[in-house]
Amino acid sequence: GEDVEQSLFLSVREGDSSVINCTYTDSSSTYLYWYKQEPGAGLQLLTYIFSNMDMKQDQRLTVLLNKKDKHLSLRIADTQTGDSAIYFCAETYRNTDKLIFGTGTRLQVF
Amino acid sequence: DAGVIQSPRHEVTEMGQEVTLRCKPISGHNSLFWYRQTMMRGLELLIYFNNNVPIDDSGMPEDRFSAKMPNASFSTLKIQPSEPRDSAVYFCASSPSGRGSTDTQYFGPGTRLTVL
Repeated sequence: GEDVEQSLFLSVREGDSSVINCTYTDSSSTYLYWYKQEPGAGLQLLTYIFSNMDMKQDQRLTVLLNKKDKHLSLRIADTQTGDSAIYFCAETYRNTDKLIFGTGTRLQVF
Repeated sequence: DAGVIQSPRHEVTEMGQEVTLRCKPISGHNSLFWYRQTMMRGLELLIYFNNNVPIDDSGMPEDRFSAKMPNASFSTLKIQPSEPRDSAVYFCASSPSGRGSTDTQYFGPGTRLTVL
């Protein structure tokens, strides 16, 4: 199958770290992505990781990739109220232009 | 660059009417995607084009939906006749695609369609 799975909801306290998890299915995916969707807006690319990397850090964002388990995670350090949004992971599909998106994780910061 | 442009941003129509959604991709991008987002079904890929040619339309719900890309800077998604269950947010995205690219898709702001 081509399912990309995520938990639906995550609630964190402001200042804490958030970890959003994703499992994917296509081991041939070249890139894996994290997108953010704020209310009433389109999806915005946050970061991506090449499949031969284990980790990528970009300011407050850290992406970890476990190819063996087909597991991708996004860590947001020092979570702020502005980080409240829906986060989607996505994988490339069989070396096509198509992306397969997860169900999205709604992050609520309180 | 202005990013992906979609129009209209909001559309309210009555069941049975024809609806046309428009998209202008980022200049130089050669892949264009139409998505639909609902609470129940999440984000669904409807169709995508590469170099103005439809590549995969397996996500198009039924014959009432059609999409065209007459040139590299314009695409339409048409619903005729529209039904209440078509109510959703429709996104257009474009990608530079091709060798050496990251295949990153850039999304427009979406068109919120309500069919009464």
